Amino acid sequence: GENVEQHPSTLSVQEGDSAVIKCTYSDSASNYFPWYKQELGKGPQLIIDIRSNVGEKKDQRIAVTLNKTAKHFSLHITETQPEDSAVYFCAAKGDNYGQNFVFGPGTRLSVLP
Amino acid sequence: DAGVIQSPRHEVTEMGQEVTLRCKPISGHNSLFWYRQTMMRGLELLIYFNNNVPIDDSGMPEDRFSAKMPNASFSTLKIQPSEPRDSAVYFCASSPSGGGYSNQPQHFGDGTRLSIL
Repeated sequence: GENVEQHPSTLSVQEGDSAVIKCTYSDSASNYFPWYKQELGKGPQLIIDIRSNVGEKKDQRIAVTLNKTAKHFSLHITETQPEDSAVYFCAAKGDNYGQNFVFGPGTRLSVLP
Repeated sequence: DAGVIQSPRHEVTEMGQEVTLRCKPISGHNSLFWYRQTMMRGLELLIYFNNNVPIDDSGMPEDRFSAKMPNASFSTLKIQPSEPRDSAVYFCASSPSGGGYSNQPQHFGDGTRLSIL
């Protein structure tokens, strides 16, 4: 089945710097890749997603890139702010799995003021 | 729009007791998912429903766990009898299906933090 790895597990950046989180997946049939942000005491919230027919997607300070050949995708946060501090999860999903996502283990991002 | 609503937010009970977690999905969503989150194992899918029918329960840890979805607006996850190793945060998520894409994002509730003493 699908396996999603995520790196780094923790990341500290200075406010205003950029942060990059990388995920790799194992199943070439995966075709949908969402990213979730989880704040303390809250459920994961979708922040951006990308489908396999697109190589890059942006939403203000957040962007996601996808390399289908290498089977990896990355989350880029520019001009980081303290409120970006949270745990970020990537996920992969393919039609073979019905409605199941396979989540990465998460990255704890700390933005230092 | 109201998001996914879970209750209770916190539950503390003694080992051996029955625990019932509740979830109201987003109106119009026809897929519902139950997850368990722990530090050691991360987010684990326990079971999911499509149009109120259980599709995949392979993630349910053992027979002590059961889930139902009697209608499109309500689901329960029950643990009987509960054990200390069941302590975790349990999330419910819902998702629309169909439309132009076969894959749709899942929308999570804020979870139930369960502690079994």
